[in-house]
Amino acid sequence: DTEVTQTPKHLVMGMTNKKSLKCEQHMGHRAMYWYKQKAKKPPELMFVYSYEKLSINESVPSRFSPECPNSSLLNLHLHALQPEDSALYLCASSQGPSDTQYFGPGTRLTVL
Amino acid sequence: SQKIEQNSEALNIQEGKTATLTCNYTNYSPAYLQWYRQDPGRGPVFLLLIRENEKEKRKERLKVTFDTTLKQSLFHITASQPADSATYLCALPRSARQLTFGSGTQLTVLP
Repeated sequence: DTEVTQTPKHLVMGMTNKKSLKCEQHMGHRAMYWYKQKAKKPPELMFVYSYEKLSINESVPSRFSPECPNSSLLNLHLHALQPEDSALYLCASSQGPSDTQYFGPGTRLTVL
Repeated sequence: SQKIEQNSEALNIQEGKTATLTCNYTNYSPAYLQWYRQDPGRGPVFLLLIRENEKEKRKERLKVTFDTTLKQSLFHITASQPADSATYLCALPRSARQLTFGSGTQLTVLP
């Protein structure tokens, strides 16, 4: 199984809401990533988890809070977002830090 | 500062022709370079990885070259088909876990 799944596919939220994005992989990969992608731009790295520990935070605002409950799951908790945070949020995983990354289909987030 | 440039935002070619996409980089000394395909509203899909000691890599109709002297990679799709229409991204490792993507080239193969 070479699939990374993400839920929900679409999410609309107000600036005062709290929501979570979920990502799951069953490939036994030990590195998991969150990316943000705006229209017609490349994916931008947000967070990297390695062996369930946060290893990289690319100076992301605290209104985004990642969590890795176990080696297969990655969450992104959202709180008090701004309209400019509207984007496609992509999860990815890889076997090791320098290996090919497998991406999920993304969650299209709209902040009103 | 580190920079990755892909030759053009958009490239249109006729079906059956070879598409050639360019990825140039500065202030990197990458051990490898990757190419991904992305369809609208979907996550990128890995296509090929080429290492610094490899000049060329092939996979079916795809061919990638890597010139570390020119700091350039070329990505070729031979006998292109409309189904090859997508955005193609090159990616370089900024560190062990940090991939940086180029801005992408949107390829359209016209029937």
